[in-house]
Amino acid sequence: NAGVMQNPRHLVRRRGQEARLRCSPMKGHSHVYWYRQLPEEGLKFMVYLQKENIIDESGMPKERFSAEFPKEGPSILRIQQVVRGDSAAYFCASSPEAIDEQFFGPGTRLTVL
Amino acid sequence: AQSVTQPDIHITVSEGASLELRCNYSYGATPYLFWYVQSPGQGLQLLLKYFSGDTLVQGIKGFEAEFKRSQSSFNLRKPSVHWSDAAEYFCAVGAMEYGNKLVFGAGTILRVKS
Repeated sequence: NAGVMQNPRHLVRRRGQEARLRCSPMKGHSHVYWYRQLPEEGLKFMVYLQKENIIDESGMPKERFSAEFPKEGPSILRIQQVVRGDSAAYFCASSPEAIDEQFFGPGTRLTVL
Repeated sequence: AQSVTQPDIHITVSEGASLELRCNYSYGATPYLFWYVQSPGQGLQLLLKYFSGDTLVQGIKGFEAEFKRSQSSFNLRKPSVHWSDAAEYFCAVGAMEYGNKLVFGAGTILRVKS
């Protein structure tokens, strides 16, 4: 059973461009979470999705950030008009049930020039 | 608000010595707890978890942790550290009452001296 997959692993964008981060959860997992890790900090929760629904987006910045988890295909975290402060590692996790262990992907490291 | 504190930013131990990494949490609900390990440039690997039951939890790689409700702590221990244990360790806490999001501590970087 393949683990959580994220791509790309590294992404470089110039200020003002869009970044799209993809996450394929483990097989059989319908719960997906996105976390952001800034340099020298722990992970901060951004959003929790369950197939086609956003369950909790309390950690997501109100502007420029959006997330989806369509019926088919990976979950997407989209950042519009990126700024230097968006440079971070973005981790996706999935779980089989709502209250359960979360399995983490390898992360996407976004660098904004 | 929920919070998780890992008081030690860096810890250095000699190979073969024992290890204890501290984690304290502040939660207004019954928590479930995790310890994850992260190597540089990598994702997070689960070491162990506590949901309920026996408060002493065994994990992978010889790690264990003890949940102490009265102290709001979930400290990670290992009796004999190996050089390959050098990494960053994160304590994370969740609670059903707050949805499924995990709140992470800032992490403890472990260095192992040979």
